[in-house]
Amino acid sequence: GQNIDQPTEMTATEGAIVQINCTYQTSGFNGLFWYQQHAGEAPTFLSYNVLDGLEEKGRFSSFLSRSKGYSYLLLKELQMKDSASYLCAVRDDYQLIWGAGTKLIIKP
Amino acid sequence: DAMVIQNPRYQVTQFGKPVTLSCSQTLNHNVMYWYQQKSSQAPKLLFHYYDKDFNNEADTPDNFQSRRPNTSFCFLDIRSPGLGDAAMYLCATSRDLWGAEGGYTFGSGTRLTVV
Repeated sequence: GQNIDQPTEMTATEGAIVQINCTYQTSGFNGLFWYQQHAGEAPTFLSYNVLDGLEEKGRFSSFLSRSKGYSYLLLKELQMKDSASYLCAVRDDYQLIWGAGTKLIIKP
Repeated sequence: DAMVIQNPRYQVTQFGKPVTLSCSQTLNHNVMYWYQQKSSQAPKLLFHYYDKDFNNEADTPDNFQSRRPNTSFCFLDIRSPGLGDAAMYLCATSRDLWGAEGGYTFGSGTRLTVV
C-alpha cells in the first residue's frame, strides 16, 4: 500500500540544526514536496525534489534518495518562528499522498 | 498580490444545516483542490478540478459536493453537516496537476465547527 512516515514530534533549540526525516512507500514516484504549516494556518510550499541529492534554499535544505524511499528536511540556525508542523508529500502516478506531519517545537 | 482567498475564515453551522465554503484565486491556476484536515492529521483530498474537469475522490462522502463556475471560483457544499465534519477545509491551487511547477498555493483555510 501507499505509506508516508514521519516522526510525530521533534524538539530542538533556537540557533541549532534539526533534520526531519520522511520515508515513503508508493506505487510510483514523481517528486517529493515539503510544506510548512503553522498551527491553525494553511500549509506553505517549501521545496520540491524529483532527483536524488540535496537542494538548498537559504536556511532550509531538502534531500532525496529515491532508491531508499527517503527524504529529509534540514533546518539550520533555528528561529522561534520555525515552530510549526512540517509535512512531507509524495506525488505518485495518480495523486499527491500526504504524511501526517512532524510537529517541531523550538525551545529558547 | 496574486493569491487564494477563502471565506469565511471561521464558520459555525448547526448539525444538519447546509453550509457552503468559498474559494477564489487570482493566480489563474488550472487546478483547484479541496482538502479536509483534522488536527494532527494529513490533509485529505475531497475533490479537484482541472479546468472544468471534475474529479471526486472515491472515499469522499456524498454529503460533500463541489462547484467551479469559472476559473477563479470554487465552492464546497456540505449538504447535512455532522459532528464528524468539523475540521479545517483547505482550498489549494496549482499550475499543473499535483503541483510539480511550484507546488500548491493554499488559502488560509476555513475552520468549520458543527454544533
